[in-house]
Amino acid sequence: SQQGEEDPQALSIQEGENATMNCSYKTSINNLQWYRQNSGRGLVHLILIRSNEREKHSGRLRVTLDTSKKSSSLLITASRAADTASYFCATAQPDTGRRALTFGSGTRLQVQP
Amino acid sequence: GAVVSQHPSRVICKSGTSVKIECRSLDFQATTMFWYRQFPKQSLMLMATSNEGSKATYEQGVEKDKFLINHASLTLSTLTVTSAHPEDSSFYICSARPRDSLNTEAFFGQGTRLTVV
Repeated sequence: SQQGEEDPQALSIQEGENATMNCSYKTSINNLQWYRQNSGRGLVHLILIRSNEREKHSGRLRVTLDTSKKSSSLLITASRAADTASYFCATAQPDTGRRALTFGSGTRLQVQP
Repeated sequence: GAVVSQHPSRVICKSGTSVKIECRSLDFQATTMFWYRQFPKQSLMLMATSNEGSKATYEQGVEKDKFLINHASLTLSTLTVTSAHPEDSSFYICSARPRDSLNTEAFFGQGTRLTVV
């Protein structure tokens, strides 16, 4: 299966700073979603942006989508130690019969208190 | 929000034995569920799509006879790792959507950490 790339692979920042993660993908998409995973746990949905949207906000999260470049970014503002986790982008392709999400490689975020 | 429950969260088994992992959608019906595998510090890789009342669809390279999937009801899918070997040790996660639409979020189980000794 095709898988997107995320950068950076790992990011360490201080509390209060902003964290930006980038995601690139390869196919056309219906939407792009961001998920968070705490170590050894399941995934929690953060935000979904549709292919006809360019930017979306949810609390301290800001997501952008550039379909011409097949890329997205996730910005977490005013980070907290509790934001420490792995973050994954995931894409849903137009109906090709594949309904599962395809995940990016992930960014491990460490927020130092 | 919708809840997907996965059980067990951790299991240790001996080589050659089989392990069954359950995935339940607690407050919605799921005609389709998805099984992923995740190695340490890596991303989720889709193993198979579980279809209620019909055969699962396996991704290339995933042995269907080794990873048996049963989706007998609209709220339960099971993954059985048969004749487990140490290389099957991994984190297995299931997922489902409340509505069978691409434009909705997916909900994930808590994951199962399988260790084969």
